[in-house]
Amino acid sequence: EPEVTQTPSHQVTQMGQEVILRCVPISNHLYFYWYRQILGQKVEFLVSFYNNEISEKSEIFDDQFSVERPDGSNFTLKIRSTKLEDSAMYFCASSRQGRGTDTQYFGPGTRLTVL
Amino acid sequence: GENVEQHPSTLSVQEGDSAVIKCTYSDSASNYFPWYKQELGKRPQLIIDIRSNVGEKKDQRIAVTLNKTAKHFSLHITETQPEDSAVYFCAASLGGGSNYKLTFGKGTLLTVNP
Repeated sequence: EPEVTQTPSHQVTQMGQEVILRCVPISNHLYFYWYRQILGQKVEFLVSFYNNEISEKSEIFDDQFSVERPDGSNFTLKIRSTKLEDSAMYFCASSRQGRGTDTQYFGPGTRLTVL
Repeated sequence: GENVEQHPSTLSVQEGDSAVIKCTYSDSASNYFPWYKQELGKRPQLIIDIRSNVGEKKDQRIAVTLNKTAKHFSLHITETQPEDSAVYFCAASLGGGSNYKLTFGKGTLLTVNP
């Protein structure tokens, strides 16, 4: 069964550094999402992406964040200048269609630790 | 925006008992309600979902009920087993226009004691 994959599984970085988190969505899916989960808290929506542009973003997704689909398979989240509070598990998700009733499949996550 | 409240935050049951987790949502336009199970350090995995045109859905030991009037939905697990131990998240989605994001509840840590 196809799955969403993410790399790396764990990223440690210094405050102020740039990080890029990578995701490979399920191949026939068209809608892509990033969520984050601070340790012990709920999963929070960051951004949705379709047809090479952002569909919606949350207030968390400020100018320090950007997303890109650089090729036909990868979907990336870039944090330009990391802050301590960016430490969290970042999940990529994808869905076949964008209707709210379409199942979103989650990747295994990247644990980002900002020191 | 949408707000999802989930209760209880922790639930401990004996193996074989039933477990019920309840969620309420604020936006009456929400029309899709998935439940995800997350084991420690793993990805959230969809276990069951319900759409607003249905009042109840069942899949083996798991069932979900939806009351649109009251804006609440519940997860029911019968004959619980130790492997059911995990954090369960409910979520809601508006599904209109480009608004496909999932809004999650805070999660319920379910512990099934052998």
